[in-house]
Amino acid sequence: GAVVSQHPSWVICKSGTSVKIECRSLDFQATTMFWYRQFPKQSLMLMATSNEGSKATYEQGVEKDKFLINHASLTLSTLTVTSAHPEDSSFYICSARFDRGPTYEQYFGPGTRLTVT
Amino acid sequence: AQSVSQHNHHVILSEAASLELGCNYSYGGTVNLFWYVQYPGQHLQLLLKYFSGDPLVKGIKGFEAEFIKSKFSFNLRKPSVQWSDTAEYFCAVTINQAGTALIFGKGTTLSVSS
Repeated sequence: GAVVSQHPSWVICKSGTSVKIECRSLDFQATTMFWYRQFPKQSLMLMATSNEGSKATYEQGVEKDKFLINHASLTLSTLTVTSAHPEDSSFYICSARFDRGPTYEQYFGPGTRLTVT
Repeated sequence: AQSVSQHNHHVILSEAASLELGCNYSYGGTVNLFWYVQYPGQHLQLLLKYFSGDPLVKGIKGFEAEFIKSKFSFNLRKPSVQWSDTAEYFCAVTINQAGTALIFGKGTTLSVSS
């Protein structure tokens, strides 16, 4: 089946530094990937839609200069949290769209736990 | 804005009991509907989806869901739950356009006691 990986699975960084999270579709090509943020005991909140070869589309309230998204290939999207602060600590999850005939599905990565100290 | 409501926040059942989790969405146009499950410590997995056709869809692990357009609902059902069904369940929708992201409900925690 379609598999999506994320790296790293968890990261601790100091306030003011930047962190890059990778999202890879391992056995399929994904022209569209998505980045979500999940708070404890809450649902997933869409941050941005990442399209291969073009600029990401950010949801309202998400700072595009803080959360840099690059979708340089059909199997890789990266999220860079720049100048991280403690309030950026969260669980970040990516997904990749998989087209299945007339329908489609999204396959999710295992998530990255970011802790900013 | 489009939204998804899951009315049951936490459901507790005994093994072999029947399950129904509610999901309602707010959008007047064509939608695609999904149920995802997140087992403890694992990533989200697709249980089933509805795009068109038979409004009763069957998914993996014995789950099914019924799309009732007039009620804007897509409830998840299972006739007999198992302890291994303990997980977080998320209903989600996309608007019928290419590339649209999932809009998730807040999730329902299901606890099944053996």
